[in-house]
Amino acid sequence: NAGVTQTPKFQVLKTGQSMTLQCAQDMNHEYMSWYRQDPGMGLRLIHYSVGAGITDQGEVPNGYNVSRSTTEDFPLRLLSAAPSQTSVYFCASSYSALLGNEQFFGPGTRLTVL
Amino acid sequence: AQSVTQPDIHITVSEGASLELRCNYSYGATPYLFWYVQSPGQGLQLLLKYFSGDTLVQGIKGFEAEFKRSQSSFNLRKPSVHWSDAAEYFCAGLTGTASKLTFGTGTRLQVTL
Repeated sequence: NAGVTQTPKFQVLKTGQSMTLQCAQDMNHEYMSWYRQDPGMGLRLIHYSVGAGITDQGEVPNGYNVSRSTTEDFPLRLLSAAPSQTSVYFCASSYSALLGNEQFFGPGTRLTVL
Repeated sequence: AQSVTQPDIHITVSEGASLELRCNYSYGATPYLFWYVQSPGQGLQLLLKYFSGDTLVQGIKGFEAEFKRSQSSFNLRKPSVHWSDAAEYFCAGLTGTASKLTFGTGTRLQVTL
């Protein structure tokens, strides 16, 4: 198993550009989520999905869109990038959304918005 | 509001010394608590978790944590630190449904030889 994979590893955008961060898992996990990590703030939940076709907002959803058309993939879209979205983004998945299931994290995408 | 607090931003210990990283939580009910480790440039790896029952939980890499309800704490410990333990450590708790983790701000551990 590859686990949770994320592409790209690094990305530089200009303000106003759009892009999609890719996340895929090969563990047949129902639950997937996106976090951003900023210095001194830990990880904050952006969006999550409890299964294909079902998504919901987390703590900091503004400026981001998600969709879940398959169990394996959970892309994160930035429609119009802003410097405030400069961050490291982590995707995570777990077997189900039930409390206590271990979440597995991808290696992260480091995004810089100029 | 439900939250997790890590009071120490940065800790330095000598190799072979004992380690304790602090974590305090604020939840209405008994929370589900986790400790994760992040090595430089890597994702997060689960060290251990507490759901209920025995308040002393053992994890990977020789780490353990003790849940203390009276102090609202879930401190991470290791009796003898190795240089490879240098990393950032995150305490996290569950905020209700759908496994939505709330993370502390992290503690960066430096190990001197």
